Amino acid sequence: NAGVTQTPKFRILKIGQSMTLQCTQDMNHNYMYWYRQDPGMGLKLIYYSVGAGITDKGEVPNGYNVSRSTTEDFPLRLELAAPSQTSVYFCATGGTSGRASVEQYFGPGTRLTVT
Amino acid sequence: QQQVKQSPQSLIVQKGGISIINCAYENTAFDYFPWYQQFPGKGPALLIAIRPDVSEKKEGRFTISFNKSAKQFSLHIMDSQPGDSATYFCAASMGSRRAAGNKLTFGGGTRVLVKP
Repeated sequence: NAGVTQTPKFRILKIGQSMTLQCTQDMNHNYMYWYRQDPGMGLKLIYYSVGAGITDKGEVPNGYNVSRSTTEDFPLRLELAAPSQTSVYFCATGGTSGRASVEQYFGPGTRLTVT
Repeated sequence: QQQVKQSPQSLIVQKGGISIINCAYENTAFDYFPWYQQFPGKGPALLIAIRPDVSEKKEGRFTISFNKSAKQFSLHIMDSQPGDSATYFCAASMGSRRAAGNKLTFGGGTRVLVKP
């Protein structure tokens, strides 16, 4: 039971390049989230999903896209990387019943630098 | 309306001392208040959480105090240990409203250093 896994761990992008951050969970949770954490700051929600085929914007969605074709996977796409997207990206999951309905479980993060 | 404000940004405490971190929120629809602990290079991990129907919750050396009327809540770390050195985040969500996706709004974080 790996929980929430994210790949890659680190990535350096040039301005204008694109990439996909991968997130996979084996907790059978319906809810999945993408956050970004800038240095010395809290986490801000980019996008979230309440189930396969359903996604919605969070607080800072500009410059990102997501899809959710399966319960397990929730990739985050950066189309035209900008220096402002330099950050650490965390994927998280949440369940829909019992205690898991409010707790969120975070992956180890992807550190992205755009130069 | 969605902000959660956290203070202080950092604190240093001696081993055995008490660490106190405060948070204030604006949205009265929030009904779930977790605290997360994050070590360098790791993702946040849930430490303790409280709902507004109680004023205090204790788990081991960690206690949340909640003041609904003031819209404030705080984390107390008793008998602080060097292993508690980490960044702590408060958060809030409308946990009972599943249609809202249980989205968390985070405070800015507090870096705690416990000196031996």
